[in-house]
Amino acid sequence: GESVGLHLPTLSVQEGDNSIINCAYSNSASDYFIWYKQESGKGPQFIIDIRSNMDKRQGQRVTVLLNKTVKHLSLQIAATQPGDSAVYFCAENLGNTPLVFGKGTRLSVIA
Amino acid sequence: DAGITQSPRHKVTETGTPVTLRCHQTENHRYMYWYRQDPGHGLRLIHYSYGVKDTDKGEVSDGYSVSRSKTEDFLLTLESATSSQTSVYFCASNGQGRGEAFFGQGTRLTVV
Repeated sequence: GESVGLHLPTLSVQEGDNSIINCAYSNSASDYFIWYKQESGKGPQFIIDIRSNMDKRQGQRVTVLLNKTVKHLSLQIAATQPGDSAVYFCAENLGNTPLVFGKGTRLSVIA
Repeated sequence: DAGITQSPRHKVTETGTPVTLRCHQTENHRYMYWYRQDPGHGLRLIHYSYGVKDTDKGEVSDGYSVSRSKTEDFLLTLESATSSQTSVYFCASNGQGRGEAFFGQGTRLTVV
């Protein structure tokens, strides 16, 4: 698989703690947002999405919050596990235009 | 995982040579995308396709061309490779043009 030695913001958390990853998106008209997880050597994988008419959505151990006023997304991971170590990207969509990705945050889980 | 594969997985080529990367999907997805991933830039869109023979440019399309002659295949060509095109290339696809896109495993291209 492929990965890139990205010079990214890094968030280090203890195993079992909650993680919060933040993202500022660029287009106030975007109407759909996705969080992706990229493990070393792999392509990005979908975690959770949210539409612009919502401000919160929950999945299994993950919650996405959307604040359109300040164009901010966050991803909350509950009870962080070693398998959560990865790079996390937010992405935004307007209509059928292709996804636009943020630069990513590296999450490092300390066992 | 969606059936999307990229080939080759690794390639080293010389400056000035043409290079073609291949993306194949088995999901009958209408939309396909090529992104490149570089340190400090995240994923940037090169070109995308919204149907057979229908393509459009992305943010970083200079020096690249694409072709889509069949639904399942999307080719990315570097007409004359340069060192600035050393990168990891990802292909993605989806059925609706919005929302979740499924990614391949990537191709690491090195131009020397």
